[in-house]
Amino acid sequence: DIQMTQSPSSLSASVGDRVTITCRASRSISTYLNWYQQTPGKAPKLLIYAVSSLQSGVPSRFSGSGSGTDFTLTISSLQPEDFATYYCQQSYSTPLFSFGPGTKVDI
Amino acid sequence: QVQLQESGPGLVKPSETLSLTCTVSGGSISSYQWSWIRQPPGRGLEWIGYIYYSGSTTYNPSLKSRVTISVDTSKKQFSLKLSSVTAADSAVYYCATYNWNIYAMDVWGQGTTVTVSS
Repeated sequence: DIQMTQSPSSLSASVGDRVTITCRASRSISTYLNWYQQTPGKAPKLLIYAVSSLQSGVPSRFSGSGSGTDFTLTISSLQPEDFATYYCQQSYSTPLFSFGPGTKVDI
Repeated sequence: QVQLQESGPGLVKPSETLSLTCTVSGGSISSYQWSWIRQPPGRGLEWIGYIYYSGSTTYNPSLKSRVTISVDTSKKQFSLKLSSVTAADSAVYYCATYNWNIYAMDVWGQGTTVTVSS
């Protein structure tokens, strides 16, 4: 099974900050890497698929990069609605579409 | 736009079977694979499995012995059964579409909380 790790597990930031979250896979997953955002009490929301493709309606301040085993989610200028938990997820290896443990972004 | 709604009992007794249904609206049930994901209180996301409209399934190996996902295309519903539940199965359960065009889960239901307790 492919294991996903994320760093940091949490971070504190301010509105306007540039925020970077890292995701690492235990072996190569090519570009089958997705990012989800979850706010408290809500379902996860797909932000980015295939490493860097923005889901429809997602603001352009979100971007993704990477390949193989190392990936990054960047928020260029943090907005109040971006305070949430972010999960990476690999869809390379069935039968287990594993998620990372999450990164909580708060003030 | 596809919308999903989970339904089922919020309380299940230990050793019994958890049963949930996800109703699909606004889209064709043959357009996606249909997934279940869960999230224990205060913890991260765990993918449970998915089903194709034809009935073909793929399950998380750690749950495979206890999980059954089925689909009823006439009702535009798919279902999750998890047998022999324990307190560790208490979680928010989400249904979601797995969009094979983008290899991601792009539409999620709002989630339903299931507590396992006597």
